[in-house]
Amino acid sequence: TQTVSQSDAHVTVFEGDSVELRCNYSYGGSIYLSWYIQHHGHGLQFLLKYYSGNPVVQGVNGFEAEFSKSDSSFHLRKASVHWSDSAVYFCAVSANSGGSNYKLTFGKGTLLTVTP
Amino acid sequence: NSKVIQTPRYLVKGQGQKAKMRCIPEKGHPVVFWYQQNKNNEFKFLINFQNQEVLQQIDMTEKRFSAECPSNSPCSLEIQSSEAGDSALYLCASSLSYGEQYFGPGTRLTVL
Repeated sequence: TQTVSQSDAHVTVFEGDSVELRCNYSYGGSIYLSWYIQHHGHGLQFLLKYYSGNPVVQGVNGFEAEFSKSDSSFHLRKASVHWSDSAVYFCAVSANSGGSNYKLTFGKGTLLTVTP
Repeated sequence: NSKVIQTPRYLVKGQGQKAKMRCIPEKGHPVVFWYQQNKNNEFKFLINFQNQEVLQQIDMTEKRFSAECPSNSPCSLEIQSSEAGDSALYLCASSLSYGEQYFGPGTRLTVL
C-alpha cells in the first residue's frame, strides 16, 4: 500500500521568498513521485516527476524537487515565489510496474498562499 | 497545459437520479483515469482504461458507477443512482508517460 504525507496543510510566504513544501511517502517497491498544482476551481496541472537518476528534478515555472531515499521524501522547492503560485500543491506516488497505467495516490495537499 | 476536455463543468442532480459526465483525453494518450476529489481534497481512484479496456477499478464503481471509453467517442462516467455522498469533483486524466498524468478541469457534481 502506498501512502503519501504532506505535513503542512497551509504555508504562507511573501512574494519573492523561497518556499519548500514537504512530502513523505511509504511504499515497498519501485515508484514514480510527482507533484501537481491545483488553482482554485481548476483541475490538476503536472509540475514534475522523479523515477531515477539525478535526485533533483526540474519542473515548470521554476519549481524543483529533491528525492531522498533515506528520508523517504520528495520535497518541492522554489527559490522566489510569485503571487500566481498561490494554489494547492499535491504530492503523488504511483507504482512503477513497467506501464503508464497505474493510479496516483495523492497526499492531502498543501495550500500555498503568496502575499504581496 | 493539459488538453483534456471534460463536460459538463457543473452537474446538479437529485438523489436517485442518473449523473453522466464525459471526457475527451489528450490525443494519442492511451490510458484514461477517473478520480473523485472530495471537499477535503481527498482523492479516490475510480477506474482506468487502456485503449478502451478496463485496467483497474474499485468496488464502488462495480455497483453504482459505470464507465466506458469507446474508440472515436468521449469516455464517460455515469452514476446510476446518485447519493448525497457522491457530491464531489470528478477528474479525468490521460497518460502517455510513466507516472505523469494530464487532468481536465473536472466536473463538479452536486447531489441535492
